[in-house]
Amino acid sequence: DQQVKQNSPSLSVQEGRISILNCDYTNSMFDYFLWYKKYPAEGPTFLISISSIKDKNEDGRFTVFLNKSAKHLSLHIVPSQPGDSAVYFCAAKRGGSNYKLTFGKGTLLTVNP
Amino acid sequence: DAGITQSPRHKVTETGTPVTLRCHQTENHRYMYWYRQDPGHGLRLIHYSYGVKDTDKGEVSDGYSVSRSKTEDFLLTLESATSSQTSVYFCATAREGITSPLHFGNGTRLTVT
Repeated sequence: DQQVKQNSPSLSVQEGRISILNCDYTNSMFDYFLWYKKYPAEGPTFLISISSIKDKNEDGRFTVFLNKSAKHLSLHIVPSQPGDSAVYFCAAKRGGSNYKLTFGKGTLLTVNP
Repeated sequence: DAGITQSPRHKVTETGTPVTLRCHQTENHRYMYWYRQDPGHGLRLIHYSYGVKDTDKGEVSDGYSVSRSKTEDFLLTLESATSSQTSVYFCATAREGITSPLHFGNGTRLTVT
């Protein structure tokens, strides 16, 4: 049973445009959500996070939106740059779980010059 | 990132042989995790540790064991490697706290022939 779902395996956008990556979850006990970026042959690196008590968190070009009622979050990258090309993983955790992260399958973002 | 070193970085082994992967951290993080990444599956938790000698199973723990005798080291052992354990293995660490992200090492690529 997949608790965190990223239904788009890949996404291609033009440089300078907005990239929107989506994530859905099924476990209502999740209370903290994170996005990770992963380049080939490297480990995932933390990008941005959001608590379940918020609906938006912004860090530079990256903004994460959370819709609790829909159990949906999205990552917006504006403007997209070729260096943003990577696999993006959505992840979730809940309190009292030893901070384990449950990951989605990832979305490969390609930003074309 | 976060002073995490995984060894070896690459390994090829034969079916039925034992294999041990090592994760070493210099950040004194309490929590440590082993994940595997496979195409179409994202990152899945194998085992994790919430302190020295304190470990527990993740979602794909069959065929794996772990040990943590020191804060800085977390070992993952495949007692008798199988071809289904061919994967990229990532170690991660985290501090206490729901808002603390996991920090990942650069992975070990294991091939079981």
